[in-house]
Amino acid sequence: DAGVIQSPRHEVTEMGQEVTLRCKPISGHNSLFWYRQTMMRGLELLIYFNNNVPIDDSGMPEDRFSAKMPNASFSTLKIQPSEPRDSAVYFCASSDRDRGFEQFFGPGTRLTVL
Amino acid sequence: QKEVEQNSGPLSVPEGAIASLNCTYSDRVSQSFFWYRQYSGKSPELIMSIYSNGDKEDGRFTAQLNKASQYVSLLIRDSQPSDSATYLCAVNRDNFNKFYFGSGTKLNVKP
Repeated sequence: DAGVIQSPRHEVTEMGQEVTLRCKPISGHNSLFWYRQTMMRGLELLIYFNNNVPIDDSGMPEDRFSAKMPNASFSTLKIQPSEPRDSAVYFCASSDRDRGFEQFFGPGTRLTVL
Repeated sequence: QKEVEQNSGPLSVPEGAIASLNCTYSDRVSQSFFWYRQYSGKSPELIMSIYSNGDKEDGRFTAQLNKASQYVSLLIRDSQPSDSATYLCAVNRDNFNKFYFGSGTKLNVKP
């Protein structure tokens, strides 16, 4: 079975540019999570969706960040405009909350904002 | 107080020894508990989940949960150099799947 798929795996951009990260959850999973990981702050939950509906976006750092889940098999995290402090690894995870709460992570997108 | 606390380590153990990793959590209503392993440059990988008090064994791994004392631990028997990684503890306390992660404990298994 395919796991969580994220793209791109690496992204280097310049300050002020728009960045879009993409995620395809595991088929059949009904919850999707976006995390950010840095050395200083560890793993932080940004936002999560249940059945494509955003449930908690309290971790989104500011209005420059937005996330959408237009259908059960696709989600995006957008940063506009990007700043150097956004440099981090962004993970997407999914789970099937009807079969337990275990979350499975994608490989991550390493974002570098110059 | 952080939701989930872990000693950052590094915890160094010799090959073949038992590695003991600990995690405490602050909210008594926490329901589900998870251990993830993360190799450097990789994503977190789920290795154990535990939902009720007591021990749960899976191969060389044993998770222990004590809700009264609000801690969960992970024991790794016969530690191997390939077990060297950061181990993240995660706690879920509601019905919406939200996890609270600890900052992780770095484990070094020396040959």
